[in-house]
Amino acid sequence: QVQLQESGPGLVRPSGTLSLTCAVSGASVNSNDWWSWIRQPPGKGLEWIGEIYHTGGTNYNPSLKSRVTFSIDKSKNQFSLKLRSVTAADTAVYYCARVGYSDRSGYLDYWGQGTLVTVSS
Amino acid sequence: QSVLTQPPSVSGAPGQRVTISCTGSSSNIGARYDVHWYQQIPGTAPKLLIYGYTYRPSGVPDRFSGSKSGTSASLAITGLQAEDEADYYCQSYDSNLIGWVFGGGTKLTVL
Repeated sequence: QVQLQESGPGLVRPSGTLSLTCAVSGASVNSNDWWSWIRQPPGKGLEWIGEIYHTGGTNYNPSLKSRVTFSIDKSKNQFSLKLRSVTAADTAVYYCARVGYSDRSGYLDYWGQGTLVTVSS
Repeated sequence: QSVLTQPPSVSGAPGQRVTISCTGSSSNIGARYDVHWYQQIPGTAPKLLIYGYTYRPSGVPDRFSGSKSGTSASLAITGLQAEDEADYYCQSYDSNLIGWVFGGGTKLTVL
């Protein structure tokens, strides 16, 4: 059973950097899978942030690309998100997930429980 | 404004059938990128419900089904149950935006 667990500060100051880690169990981040981050502002819909492969290859949402960096730590079986220059608009529940692929696009088959990050002074 | 358009809300009585539409364009659904559906019970993480338009992950009841027509996709739920009350999201890939896109979500109320 694949399980993912997000962790990181729940409060980030404006203009600071949001940093989250996703610990994976029941699967290896070093496998032929992509791993993704998604966020959901309070009371709103889902937004794809991007995905990372074990080789370090990444795909980012173009609207966030200039501020986001993913990394992967095979020794700890986890992957991470850094989002720079945050504002109140970045306040959201952040989810990590595993990516599955159908013939013509990816989907998210296992999700973490999510962690709320609030941007506020 | 989401790239994929869903109705904000739908409702139905227990036992009835409801459908939720997901309308896209020539750069996503119309470009034959697959559509996937998620169920999100308030306060919990989304759960994969349908992938590749019509496939159900293990454990998802066959009361849930997906379909596609042109630049739209639909999720149908038959034999509506109280536990189906949740938000539902469609998701695909968009070649113009060069990334994954979600619908705005549909709140299902079981009357």
